[in-house]
Amino acid sequence: DAGITQSPRHKVTETGTPVTLRCHQTENHRYMYWYRQDPGHGLRLIHYSYGVKDTDKGEVSDGYSVSRSKTEDFLLTLESATSSQTSVYFCAISLSKSAVSEQFFGPGTRLTVL
Amino acid sequence: DAKTTQPNSMESNEEEPVHLPCNHSTISGTDYIHWYRQLPSQGPEYVIHGLTSNVNNRMASLAIAEDRKSSTLILHRATLRDAAVYYCILREGRDDKIIFGKGTRLHILP
Repeated sequence: DAGITQSPRHKVTETGTPVTLRCHQTENHRYMYWYRQDPGHGLRLIHYSYGVKDTDKGEVSDGYSVSRSKTEDFLLTLESATSSQTSVYFCAISLSKSAVSEQFFGPGTRLTVL
Repeated sequence: DAKTTQPNSMESNEEEPVHLPCNHSTISGTDYIHWYRQLPSQGPEYVIHGLTSNVNNRMASLAIAEDRKSSTLILHRATLRDAAVYYCILREGRDDKIIFGKGTRLHILP
C-alpha cells in the first residue's frame, strides 16, 4: 500500500470554526490532490498541488484553501466551517501528471460540521 | 469532459465471473479508459486502464470494444471482498485530473 496517512480520521466541529486536515505521504510523489465525497455526487476535486508551493483550484474549491510547504504534506483548511462542508475528505497522490499515472488514495477523513 | 454511463448496481454470485459494463460513446482518440474501485469505508483504488487493446492484470481484465465506445471490466472469479463501487473513468492523455461519476455498486452473493 502507498504510504498515505490522513489526520484526523474523524472530526466533529461547529459551524464557524477553522479546521485543518492533513495529508502526509512517504512516497515522495510530486502530485497531490484533495477530494470530497458526498452521497449522490461521487468524488469531487477540491484543490491539487504539482509541487511545493504550487497549488491550484479544482471543481469545488469555494470555502477551502490549501498549503504545501513540504513535498510530503498537503494541508486542507476550512477557514470557517459550514454544515455544507460535512463530508468525507480523501487525499490522493500521483507520481506523474500523465493520464496513465495511477492515483493512490488515503483512508479518508470524516468531517461533521454541526 | 468525456462522460461514462454505468449501471447503478449489479449482483453476482461468489466464485463466478463478473462483467461490469461501461458506455463512453463520446470518447476521443486520446482518452484512456480507467477503472477504480472503492471498498466500503476506504478510499478508491486503481484497478486497471487501457487505450485500445484489451488489458489483463492480477486484479482484472479490461475488454475494450473495437470502436472504443464501450468497455467491460471483468473480474474472473468474484469473492466477497470484491463487493465495492466500481468507477469507469476517461482520462485525457495529458490531463492528470480524475472525474468520478457515480459508478456501479457491485453486490456479491455468498
